[in-house]
Amino acid sequence: GESVGLHLPTLSVQEGDNSIINCAYSNSASDYFIWYKQESGKGPQFIIDIRSNMDKRQGQRVTVLLNKTVKHLSLQIAATQPGDSAVYFCADLNSGYALNFGKGTSLLVTP
Amino acid sequence: ETGVTQTPRHLVMGMTNKKSLKCEQHLGHNAMYWYKQSAKKPLELMFVYSLEERVENNSVPSRFSPECPNSSHLFLHLHTLQPEDSALYLCASSQDLGQANYGYTFGSGTRLTVV
Repeated sequence: GESVGLHLPTLSVQEGDNSIINCAYSNSASDYFIWYKQESGKGPQFIIDIRSNMDKRQGQRVTVLLNKTVKHLSLQIAATQPGDSAVYFCADLNSGYALNFGKGTSLLVTP
Repeated sequence: ETGVTQTPRHLVMGMTNKKSLKCEQHLGHNAMYWYKQSAKKPLELMFVYSLEERVENNSVPSRFSPECPNSSHLFLHLHTLQPEDSALYLCASSQDLGQANYGYTFGSGTRLTVV
């Protein structure tokens, strides 16, 4: 089976609220993780990444948290905006070069 | 535009047709990838090329045939496809094989429908 997976297929949040999207992975050898955003009609776009020697990394309005103990990854989006509506994927790199993707969580931002 | 361009954006083909998908990148990347994205399934890695050499064929049926004539172009030749092959086909590139810093750069994909 897949080594990464997202906990919920859909997430609905109100504009201005914070969003949290979760992901679990199974391979303890995974050493690099990425979050992607895919808008309708487009390919996945890089959001933020984190290496296994870090617990937290912040970008612009986004934060990724890595808990290696429970093999859990989360993406936090602050002050969610309508433009954040998309499908979000986590991916890990555990075989040298091939990114392994989860199924995706659809984020819907309501006014 | 991400720097990775895929054509055509949409393709409808019969099961007896032969068609090709094209991917082009001018990012100076040395590695290129084909992924298949089906509804409600994770992205599936199909092929990996590094410096025009194929390094991965992820158990893909022979009706899909990749070609990488140079480091900027990648093709996926299709023939005698099945309806279950209908999906979004994504091309991606990265600076080098095994270097996933900042991830891959993806194209917008070709939406393929097999009738």
